[in-house]
Amino acid sequence: QVQLMQSGPEVKKPGASVKVSCKTSGYTFGAYGLSWVRQAPGQGLEWMGRISALNGNTRYSEKFQGRITMTVDTSTSTAFLDLRSLRSDDTAVYFCARMSATMYTDYWGQGTLLIVSS
Amino acid sequence: DIQMTQSPSSLSASVGDRVTVTCRASQDIHNSLAWFQQKPGKAPKLLLFAASRLESGVPSRFSGSGSGTDYTLTISGLQPEDFATYYCQQYYRIPLTFGGGTKVEIK
Repeated sequence: QVQLMQSGPEVKKPGASVKVSCKTSGYTFGAYGLSWVRQAPGQGLEWMGRISALNGNTRYSEKFQGRITMTVDTSTSTAFLDLRSLRSDDTAVYFCARMSATMYTDYWGQGTLLIVSS
Repeated sequence: DIQMTQSPSSLSASVGDRVTVTCRASQDIHNSLAWFQQKPGKAPKLLLFAASRLESGVPSRFSGSGSGTDYTLTISGLQPEDFATYYCQQYYRIPLTFGGGTKVEIK
């Protein structure tokens, strides 16, 4: 069965960077893209960007341009999200989600809590 | 960016009720709309895509309709496990955008 397993919770200081991983299984990794979505405490869902697992092409939300890098490791079927220059308002749960060919997100990871605090 | 306006933001309903949630896009999204259910502390779960296509394994009491800019999620016969927050998402154009959510609570 399709599974997306994310790395554990993180606590970072303002200005630091974080790297979140999303290890996938149960499907052909290169056949689907992956999106990253975040959810601040008590808030709604915010799309951050997506990456093609086939060729690594990325599209980022303008809000995160310059602070975000998405990558994939095809040898381990794992996607990564790098977020830099962290601020307190980056405190959120970060989800990875598989994207279908028509770009809806069908399977989601369990989420990774990031707390940014001095 | 395509703005998604979801209403109501919350509602109270009883088991067995018929519940309707609406989502309006700021431009035609050509049925590229998905609905998700999210329970506290959990990841969103896909219910419907292409506005009206039920994801495998999702109960048939969930249905979707609409076209152009206006879409609806209907739950026919609310069950105890359906109390949750529901989100719409357009995937017609990047950036993908979500509605603000509708929290369905027990009356």
